[in-house]
Amino acid sequence: DQQVKQNSPSLSVQEGRISILNCDYTNSMFDYFLWYKKYPAEGPTFLISISSIKDKNEDGRFTVFLNKSAKHLSLHIVPSQPGDSAVYFCAASAWSNTGKLIFGQGTTLQVKP
Amino acid sequence: DGGITQSPKYLFRKEGQNVTLSCEQNLNHDAMYWYRQDPGQGLRLIYYSQIVNDFQKGDIAEGYSVSREKKESFPLTVTSAQKNPTAFYLCASRGGSDTQYFGPGTRLTVL
Repeated sequence: DQQVKQNSPSLSVQEGRISILNCDYTNSMFDYFLWYKKYPAEGPTFLISISSIKDKNEDGRFTVFLNKSAKHLSLHIVPSQPGDSAVYFCAASAWSNTGKLIFGQGTTLQVKP
Repeated sequence: DGGITQSPKYLFRKEGQNVTLSCEQNLNHDAMYWYRQDPGQGLRLIYYSQIVNDFQKGDIAEGYSVSREKKESFPLTVTSAQKNPTAFYLCASRGGSDTQYFGPGTRLTVL
């Protein structure tokens, strides 16, 4: 059973426009959510996180929104740049899980110049 | 530089052989994790350790073993019992928050 889902395998966006990556989860015990960026043959790089007590967290061009009632989070990248082209993973954890992260399948973002 | 190192970057193994993947961190993190990534899939947890001399199975531990004799090191052994070992293996560590930081990965190919 997939507890964290990224239903869009890929997304293509024009440079300078907004990229919106979505993630849904099923476990109401999740209380911390993260986004990672990954290039091929490299380890994931931490981008941004959000605690369940917040509904928005912003860091430069990256903003994560959390809708707990819908069990949905999204990552907004504004403006998108060609260097943002990568695979983006959302992940979730619950304190009861002792720090274990559950990952979505990933969304491949392509930003076209 | 603080960080997580994994070696080797690429590893080839013959069927039936055990192989050990190295993971070292100098971040003074207590917790360490091993994940596996297959094409088109997310990361799946193999084993994790929250403290020295203690480790727990993740979701796909069968065919793998680990040790945690030092805080800095968390090696993963892929045994011959692992039926489909070809994958990209990622090690991570975690400090005081829930954020895990990843190493560069090891690509294991079984010939």
